[in-house]
Amino acid sequence: DQQVKQNSPSLSVQEGRISILNCDYTNSMFDYFLWYKKYPAEGPTFLISISSIKDKNEDGRFTVFLNKSAKHLSLHIVPSQPGDSAVYFCAASGSSGYALNFGKGTSLLVTP
Amino acid sequence: DAMVIQNPRYQVTQFGKPVTLSCSQTLNHNVMYWYQQKSSQAPKLLFHYYDKDFNNEADTPDNFQSRRPNTSFCFLDIRSPGLGDTAMYLCATSRVLAGGVTDTQYFGPGTRLTVL
Repeated sequence: DQQVKQNSPSLSVQEGRISILNCDYTNSMFDYFLWYKKYPAEGPTFLISISSIKDKNEDGRFTVFLNKSAKHLSLHIVPSQPGDSAVYFCAASGSSGYALNFGKGTSLLVTP
Repeated sequence: DAMVIQNPRYQVTQFGKPVTLSCSQTLNHNVMYWYQQKSSQAPKLLFHYYDKDFNNEADTPDNFQSRRPNTSFCFLDIRSPGLGDTAMYLCATSRVLAGGVTDTQYFGPGTRLTVL
């Protein structure tokens, strides 16, 4: 029973444009959300997070938006760069943070 | 300077032959986790250790066991691997903050296990 869903397995964007990756969740007890980035042959690397008391968190080119009423979050990358090409995982947890529930990932390709 | 190290990176074993995967960390984090990720699937938490306290997920098969002899090391033992256990196994660590909540999880590169 997948509680975190990333419905787009892949996304292709031109360099310099905005990449928008989407994530939906079903468990209303989740209150901490994270995005991880994964290159081939490497483990997931933490990218950015947001707690449920906020609706936006920004870090450089990366912004995460949270819509609690819709149980939806999104990651915006502006401007996209070829080095951003990777698999992006959305994850969510309850208040303690121990058990991360991951989505299946979205493979982003940024073309020159 | 690697922080979460997993050995081996690739492991092939035969059906039913016990296998042990290793994880070590240089971060001195309280918590260590093991996740299983099958092809095109989401990583799934198997269990975690908070210091020496073992926390098993309800749906983790009994075939999977873990040991944490000290802060730095954690092992995943698969007693009798089946074909369905072919997957990437990811180790992660985190530190516990004031109030008992855990900080961001840091992942190792994973061990790709193939059961033949």
